[in-house]
Amino acid sequence: EAGVVQSPRYKIIEKKQPVAFWCNPISGHNTLYWYRQNLGQGPELLIRYENEEAVDDSQLPKDRFSAERLKGVDSTLKIQPAELGDSAVYLCASSPLGGASETQYFGPGTRLLVL
Amino acid sequence: QKEVEQNSGPLSVPEGAIASLNCTYSDRGSQSFFWYRQYSGKSPELIMSIYSNGDKEDGRFTAQLNKASQYVSLLIRDSQPSDSATYLCAVNNVRNQFYFGTGTSLTVIP
Repeated sequence: EAGVVQSPRYKIIEKKQPVAFWCNPISGHNTLYWYRQNLGQGPELLIRYENEEAVDDSQLPKDRFSAERLKGVDSTLKIQPAELGDSAVYLCASSPLGGASETQYFGPGTRLLVL
Repeated sequence: QKEVEQNSGPLSVPEGAIASLNCTYSDRGSQSFFWYRQYSGKSPELIMSIYSNGDKEDGRFTAQLNKASQYVSLLIRDSQPSDSATYLCAVNNVRNQFYFGTGTSLTVIP
């Protein structure tokens, strides 16, 4: 079974430029998560989808971040414009139904460096 | 107050020793608790989950949960150099919100 796929794996951009990250969850997983992990910190949830619906986006900085999950499968996370403080690893995870006891399976992450 | 707190370490133990990792959480109604391992430059992977008070053992790993004290721990017996990683405690609270601690860095010295 293929795992969570993310692309690109690395991205270097200048501040004020836009950037987008793509995630393909494990087949059949209804719930998809986007996390941001700063160096030396644990992952911080940005947004959680159940199928196409964003059920928790309370920690997504909506002034510059946006996300979508069309058709309830792939998802894209966008930052526009990027700031220096956005440099981090962006992790995508998925789980079958999003239940409280379910394991989340993480993708390899996208490492973003904003110059 | 952070939802999940861990001692960031670093924690160093000799090979073969027991490593003890600790975590506290703030939401008393939390139901699900997880330990993830993260190697440097890699993504987190689940080691264990625990939902009831007491101990849960899986091979060399034992998770302990005390809901009254809002405390979760992970014991690694017969520690191996390959156990050197950052260990993340994660909690799912009553609102089905998932929070990670900052992680504890463990080094097992051969």
